[in-house]
Amino acid sequence: DQQVKQNSPSLSVQEGRISILNCDYTNSMFDYFLWYKKYPAEGPTFLISISSIKDKNEDGRFTVFLNKSAKHLSLHIVPSQPGDSAVYFCAASAFIGSGNDMRFGAGTRLTVKP
Amino acid sequence: NAGVTQTPKFQVLKTGQSMTLQCAQDMNHEYMSWYRQDPGMGLRLIHYSVGAGITDQGEVPNGYNVSRSTTEDFPLRLLSAAPSQTSVYFCASSSSGFLGYTFGSGTRLTVV
Repeated sequence: DQQVKQNSPSLSVQEGRISILNCDYTNSMFDYFLWYKKYPAEGPTFLISISSIKDKNEDGRFTVFLNKSAKHLSLHIVPSQPGDSAVYFCAASAFIGSGNDMRFGAGTRLTVKP
Repeated sequence: NAGVTQTPKFQVLKTGQSMTLQCAQDMNHEYMSWYRQDPGMGLRLIHYSVGAGITDQGEVPNGYNVSRSTTEDFPLRLLSAAPSQTSVYFCASSSSGFLGYTFGSGTRLTVV
């Protein structure tokens, strides 16, 4: 039962354009959402996060939008750069019992073409 | 500034063998977790810890044990390796369960 879904396994965009990566979740207990970026042979790197009490968080070229009613979040990268080419994982977290339970989506491979 | 260190980077095991994947962090983080990454499945939580002496099961804990005797170390033990445990394993730590985790570079495990 995958509680966090990234339905697009891959996305290709031109350098300078906007990249939009999407993520859906099913568990209404999730209250914190994160995006990670992963290069081959490396561990994921934290990129940006958003609390469920917000609908937008911006950090430089990266903006995450949260639509709680639709259980949907998206990551916008503007402008996209070739160095952004990586696999992006969406993650959702809920505080349970003695800790937090973070679930990841399957990832979307972004390719930014020069 | 080492961050999260995982050893070994690669390992091949025979079915039924046991082994321990090591994870150490030098950031004094209370929260530590183990994930496995499989194609098309993302990262799945195996076990996690919110501090020394406290561990709990994640999404896919069967076949794995953990302990947390110190803040720095969080080893993952495979009791009797099975081919289904062939995967890439990531250890991660965080100062807060809600802030971004710092991941190690991973251990690629193959069980034959």
